[in-house]
Amino acid sequence: DVKVTQSSRYLVKRTGEKVFLECVQDMDHENMFWYRQDPGLGLRLIYFSYDVKMKEKGDIPEGYSVSREKKERFSLILESASTNQTSMYLCASSPGGTGGGYTFGSGTRLTVV
Amino acid sequence: EDKVVQSPLSLVVHEGDTVTLNCSYEVTNFRSLLWYKQEKKAPTFLFMLTSSGIEKKSGRLSSILDKKELFSILNITATQTGDSAVYLCAVSVGAQKLVFGQGTRLTINP
Repeated sequence: DVKVTQSSRYLVKRTGEKVFLECVQDMDHENMFWYRQDPGLGLRLIYFSYDVKMKEKGDIPEGYSVSREKKERFSLILESASTNQTSMYLCASSPGGTGGGYTFGSGTRLTVV
Repeated sequence: EDKVVQSPLSLVVHEGDTVTLNCSYEVTNFRSLLWYKQEKKAPTFLFMLTSSGIEKKSGRLSSILDKKELFSILNITATQTGDSAVYLCAVSVGAQKLVFGQGTRLTINP
């Protein structure tokens, strides 16, 4: 069964901490994405990557960075966590060259206190 | 700015009812429109629509796209409590990017 795996289901971090959210896919997909999901706002794209070591800003990149050193792994980094980054974070991947075909991870619910 | 708007944001119906969820969009480089169902965890794929007027069906769920009026609907007939979920509409806009609507929270009461 193909999968996108996010390393943590729930995380609680303190304001100012550096936070790493990890995502691994086993489908050999070219594209990987990080979204955050907030009530009433839907899913908003933070960053995406269409190849190893490549990254593109999404709609809300401020306060975040990403790393893609290997094709299967895409990491989201909160350099200095703040309470307004409390949210559900969803990772997704898709094959290149198509207009859809996303597979999502189960999400990480991050609380910053 | 690319935009996807879903309505209603929340809907409560009784088991057995038929529901229609709406999704309208304004985007610059449309490739396809997708519907997802999200229960407690990861959104799961329902439909991908690329052509106008062609209905896609899966059991009690169906969806259709109107590229002239820039909207799609998702129909669920004979609803069951297991249909309770958030339904997400998304539009693929070049370079693999998906733009999502706010979601519709559907609650089916027994």
